Amino acid sequence: EVQLVESGEGLVQPGGSLRLSCAASGFSFSVYSMNWVRQAPGKGLEWLSYISGRSTTIFYADSVKGRFTISRDNAKNSLFLQMNSLRAEDTAMYYCARDLSSGYPNWFDPWGQGTLVTVSS
Amino acid sequence: DIQMTQSPSSLSASVGDRVTITCQASQDISNYLNWYQQKPGKAPNLLIYEASNLQTGVPSRFSGSGSGTDFTFTISSLQPEDIATYYCQQYDNLPITFGQGTRLEIK
Repeated sequence: EVQLVESGEGLVQPGGSLRLSCAASGFSFSVYSMNWVRQAPGKGLEWLSYISGRSTTIFYADSVKGRFTISRDNAKNSLFLQMNSLRAEDTAMYYCARDLSSGYPNWFDPWGQGTLVTVSS
Repeated sequence: DIQMTQSPSSLSASVGDRVTITCQASQDISNYLNWYQQKPGKAPNLLIYEASNLQTGVPSRFSGSGSGTDFTFTISSLQPEDIATYYCQQYDNLPITFGQGTRLEIK
């Protein structure tokens, strides 16, 4: 069964940092591109970042560029999101999602269950 | 950024009804459009990709159509388990953007 499980949930102060992880299983992780998408409480979906299978192509949304860093460890079937300089508006559920494309974000399937990030003093 | 506008924002329908949601892009996106279903407290789930292709395992009562700037998502016969919020998503240009969502309720 294809599965994605996020971890790293936490409460962090504004200006702080947090690292999210996404553990993949049930498929050849290194072959697939991956994405991070977030959803603020009661709000819609916001795409954040994309990384290709061999990490050669990376994209970011402007809202997180320069503050967030996406990475992956194919040997450990894991995806990461390092989040620095966190702001209150970064409070959201963060999802990792497999991308069924090569080289450019297309459609996302499946998604993990999400991990909650709260930025507050 | 490409703006995706869904209509309506919410709707109430009866079991067995035909339900239609529209999604309009702020510019031509060809057929680079997907539809997702998000049930309360759950992650989104891909239903339709490339505007009209049904994802494997998705019931055939779901369908999508359109190209350019105007797209339609249809449930041919609403079932109780279809209660969810539905999102369109474009991937023609970065950043990837989603519609604001359509909340579907049972009447």
